[in-house]
Order: sequence, then structure tokens, then C-alpha cells
Amino acid sequence: DGGITQSPKYLFRKEGQNVTLSCEQNLNHDAMYWYRQDPGQGLRLIYYSQIVNDFQKGDIAEGYSVSREKKESFPLTVTSAQKNPTAFYLCASRNGGSYEQYFGPGTRLTVT
Amino acid sequence: AQSVTQLGSHVSVSEGALVLLRCNYSSSVPPYLFWYVQYPNQGLQLLLKYTTGATLVKGINGFEAEFKKSETSFHLTKPSAHMSDAAEYFCAVSALTAAGNKLTFGGGTRVLVKP
Repeated sequence: DGGITQSPKYLFRKEGQNVTLSCEQNLNHDAMYWYRQDPGQGLRLIYYSQIVNDFQKGDIAEGYSVSREKKESFPLTVTSAQKNPTAFYLCASRNGGSYEQYFGPGTRLTVT
Repeated sequence: AQSVTQLGSHVSVSEGALVLLRCNYSSSVPPYLFWYVQYPNQGLQLLLKYTTGATLVKGINGFEAEFKKSETSFHLTKPSAHMSDAAEYFCAVSALTAAGNKLTFGGGTRVLVKP
């Protein structure tokens, strides 16, 4: 089955710790995206990558970092510099020839 | 810059009644428009999209939307609500920037279906 996987579904961390969220796709899509979702605020773009070894900051990149070493993988690290890391994180991918994005199931991160 | 406004963060409809979710957009170029649905604790699923051509687009689960350029709107409708339609719905507009293609989302509308 082709699709996007995010792991784990739920993640708990202590304040001050970095944490890495996994995103893998086997759709052979060129572009990948990370969004943050908070209640009542829709989706906000954190980082995106159009090709391997290249990525761009989105609207709320502060406190986050990414890498794109392989086409199928786009991990997101939430660093201790992120002031309010507790949120639902969604990964998406897009085929180069189209405009719609396809989403993974999400990871709910709770930092206490 | 692109932006999307969804009127009404919550909508309550009776089962069998019309579902109407409003979306207005702002775009400096001809827009590509999307509606997504999200069920609790899940990712987003594409309902339908408008790129070019016919302005009335049909999607999955009986939903459809009409692109009206003069009104900068892309409202989502379904003639008869079903209990399974209870979810959150997001309207989005595509923007092509120098750094690539991005989606800008509205704030979402949560639909409650009453029996």
C-alpha cells in the first residue's frame, strides 16, 4: 500500500528535551511538508522540501529543524527552543506534477 | 500573498439537511482550491479540488463545491447530511512561490450532525 506513515502516533517528552518525529512516504513524491495544528488555528506550515537535500522555512520554523537526506524521509526535530511544542504534527507530500498534498495520520506530541 | 477565510468555526446540521460550509479566498494569481476533511486524531483527506475548467467540482462522499471568481468563493455543499459527515473541514488555496508550492489553509469548520 502506498502512503505516508508517521510514527509514533503519541509522543510524550519532558520540557528541555529535543524530540524527532518521523515521516516516511512510499509514493515517490518529490515534495514533503510539515505542519503544526493547534485547536482553532488550522494548519500552520513549519518546513517544506521540494527536493532531496533542500528545504525551506515555513511560517513558524523557529524552534524546529529538518533534514531531507532521502526522497522518502523528512524527519522533524522539535528542539528545546520551541516555546510551546505541545501540538498535533502532520506530515504531507506532493507529486511534482500536481498541487494537492496527501497527509499522514499525524503525531500528537505532549511536552510537560 | 494568499489567504483563506472560513466563515463559522462550528456548524450544526440535522441529519438529512443541507450542509453548507463557506470559504472565501484571496489570491494574486488564478487559484487552485481544495477542501479537506479531518476526522478526530487523524490526518487530512482530500475531498475535492478545483484547478481549471468546470467551476462546479464533485468530490467524495457526495460533496461538491463551486468556484466563483467574482465572489472569490469556494463554498462546499452536500444535499443531505449523514452522521458520518461529522468532522472538521478545511479549505485551502495553493500558492506557487520562488521556493516551491505551498498550501494556505483556513481555520477550519467543525461540523456537528444531529440525529
